[in-house]
Amino acid sequence: GNSVTQMEGPVTLSEEAFLTINCTYTATGYPSLFWYVQYPGEGLQLLLKATKADDKGSNKGFEATYRKETTSFHLEKGSVQVSDSAVYFCALSPNNQAGTALIFGKGTTLSVSS
Amino acid sequence: EPEVTQTPSHQVTQMGQEVILRCVPISNHLYFYWYRQILGQKVEFLVSFYNNEISEKSEIFDDQFSVERPDGSNFTLKIRSTKLEDSAMYFCASRPTMGPPGELFFGEGSRLTVL
Repeated sequence: GNSVTQMEGPVTLSEEAFLTINCTYTATGYPSLFWYVQYPGEGLQLLLKATKADDKGSNKGFEATYRKETTSFHLEKGSVQVSDSAVYFCALSPNNQAGTALIFGKGTTLSVSS
Repeated sequence: EPEVTQTPSHQVTQMGQEVILRCVPISNHLYFYWYRQILGQKVEFLVSFYNNEISEKSEIFDDQFSVERPDGSNFTLKIRSTKLEDSAMYFCASRPTMGPPGELFFGEGSRLTVL
C-alpha cells in the first residue's frame, strides 16, 4: 500500500544550523510528494511540492528533491531560524486524480533556539 | 487571503454523545476533506467529499461518522456516539477543482476531547 515514513523527532537545532528531515515513501504508480508545515496553534500549510521524479520543490529557503530511485523526499534548509520552529509533515498523493486523499507521515517537530 | 474556518476550536463531550464539527471551506473550492490527528500520532485521512457525495473514505470512517453539506457554505462532520478513542484534533481541508491534487488548504482544527 501507500505509506510515508519520516524521521522521528524532536529535532533541536541552534539558529543558522543546517536542517535535514528524512522522508521515504512507498507507493504504486507515480505519486506527487509534499511537505506541509504546522506552526504552533495553526493548521497545516503547504510548504513545497514535487509532482514527478527529479523535481525539486522549494519555498522559504527549504528544498526537497523527488528521488524515485531511493523513494525519498528529504527536506533541507541551509540555515534555520527560530521562526522555523514547527511540525513538518511529509505527504504523498497516490495518483493525480482530484479528490484522492493525501497520506501523511507522523510529523517531525523542529525546535530552533537562538 | 481566503481561509478555511472551523468551529468549535475545542469541544469537550461525554462518551456516547453526538458531536458536530463545522467547517467553512474556501468559497470557490469544490473538494472537501476531513482528517484527524490523535495526539502524538500521524495525520489520518477520514473522508473526501465532492459534488454532494463522498468520493473516498478510510476504514476509520465507519457508521458512527457522517458528513454533510447542509447549505452552500458549511461542511460538517458528525460523530453519532462518541468514544474515548475519538479524542483527537480534527482538520477540515478544501481544494479547488483546478490545481495540483494534494495541494490542500487546511483549517486550524477542532480539538475534540471525549471524557
